[in-house]
Amino acid sequence: RKEVEQDPGPFNVPEGATVAFNCTYSNSASQSFFWYRQDCRKEPKLLMSVYSSGNEDGRFTAQLNRASQYISLLIRDSKLSDSATYLCVDGSNTGNQFYFGTGTSLTVIP
Amino acid sequence: SAVISQKPSRDICQRGTSLTIQCQVDSQVTMMFWYRQQPGQSLTLIATANQGSEATYESGFVIDKFPISRPNLTFSTLTVSNMSPEDSSIYLCSVTPGQSYEQYFGPGTRLTVT
Repeated sequence: RKEVEQDPGPFNVPEGATVAFNCTYSNSASQSFFWYRQDCRKEPKLLMSVYSSGNEDGRFTAQLNRASQYISLLIRDSKLSDSATYLCVDGSNTGNQFYFGTGTSLTVIP
Repeated sequence: SAVISQKPSRDICQRGTSLTIQCQVDSQVTMMFWYRQQPGQSLTLIATANQGSEATYESGFVIDKFPISRPNLTFSTLTVSNMSPEDSSIYLCSVTPGQSYEQYFGPGTRLTVT
């Protein structure tokens, strides 16, 4: 079983829409989670960190459900510039080992 | 966060040769990581490199194939040895600055082996 599983998509949504990605993890002891954004042919960039139940930053909200072992990323009022691949990461309980999901592709359409 | 640079940004190499990739950070960091991202895939951790100790390799990766140096707290190298076309990939270094677990990535080295 993979440590982190994501729906690969692709998600194609119109501008202004709300879109949500889910991600499940297998290590119940993990304490830290992250969402990264990766543009084509670029390195991953940290979008949000999730250490407790959730985190919000502008149009982006991340939620953690420990009982069901999943984290989600909600993007409101989607912009064309949000088009990218979103990587879910389980930072484990040591911080030394990151487990990356395979990524979810998002395309925001004008 | 941290500013991370990698050299080279890309290279095309012949089978059987070796390439050394450099990773430079603008601040001192304890832990540096080397990842591989094959086309259309997510990131796979190769090894963790701490200054003053041997690198710790993940399952499927060995020191003879991917020797790593970590001479100080701002620099590391990864060598891809005796390359084959299967080694064609993007190689990324990352660091965890400060006390958090957040990792920040370098721009990557795009390697093509012919």
